[in-house]
Amino acid sequence: ILNVEQSPQSLHVQEGDSTNFTCSFPSSNFYALHWYRWETAKSPEALFVMTLNGDEKKKGRISATLNTKEGYSYLYIKGSQPEDSATYLCAFRSDSGGSNYKLTFGKGTLLTVNP
Amino acid sequence: NAGVTQTPKFQVLKTGQSMTLQCAQDMNHEYMSWYRQDPGMGLRLIHYSVGAGITDQGEVPNGYNVSRSTTEDFPLRLLSAAPSQTSVYFCASSRTSLGYEQYFGPGTRLTVT
Repeated sequence: ILNVEQSPQSLHVQEGDSTNFTCSFPSSNFYALHWYRWETAKSPEALFVMTLNGDEKKKGRISATLNTKEGYSYLYIKGSQPEDSATYLCAFRSDSGGSNYKLTFGKGTLLTVNP
Repeated sequence: NAGVTQTPKFQVLKTGQSMTLQCAQDMNHEYMSWYRQDPGMGLRLIHYSVGAGITDQGEVPNGYNVSRSTTEDFPLRLLSAAPSQTSVYFCASSRTSLGYEQYFGPGTRLTVT
């Protein structure tokens, strides 16, 4: 079983603050790293799929970076808004044999943005 | 284009009963998968399929069966429900298994008493 760790587990910020959180994954046999946003009572929705070391992706106020050599990805939210409140999941896809078809999820970072 | 649909939304079973959770997608995706979500455990992969007629086990397959006779449908069968299978189940699909985002269904909340 692959180890995908997310930190912190939860985070409270004020509206307008910028914030970031971390996803750590195995640094060998990397294929892809996914980020999902999961609002309460809804389904996870994809934010980014990152495949290359040094990748940076951006969607509005949310951006992500990837370091496959050291096995981590950062998700940044600039100027947090209450509607950004959600659990942010990362998921790792390995490039080793049969596990290439499996996505291993971290337990998520729960972000609460206070107005 | 409905995306990924799941039925039922809620289900209560007694221990030992069997049932099938339905999942369908209309995006012609090759890859489909089933996850369960439990408090403090995150999403865990139960079974997945890389195309019609091809299925394989994920991280927590015991007590569940799957089949994939068509590209669109990927049902999950509970053979003899146990209280440990009380969970929220999500079906997901993606274009292929390689480096594409997954689209999730709305989930099925299952309680086994």
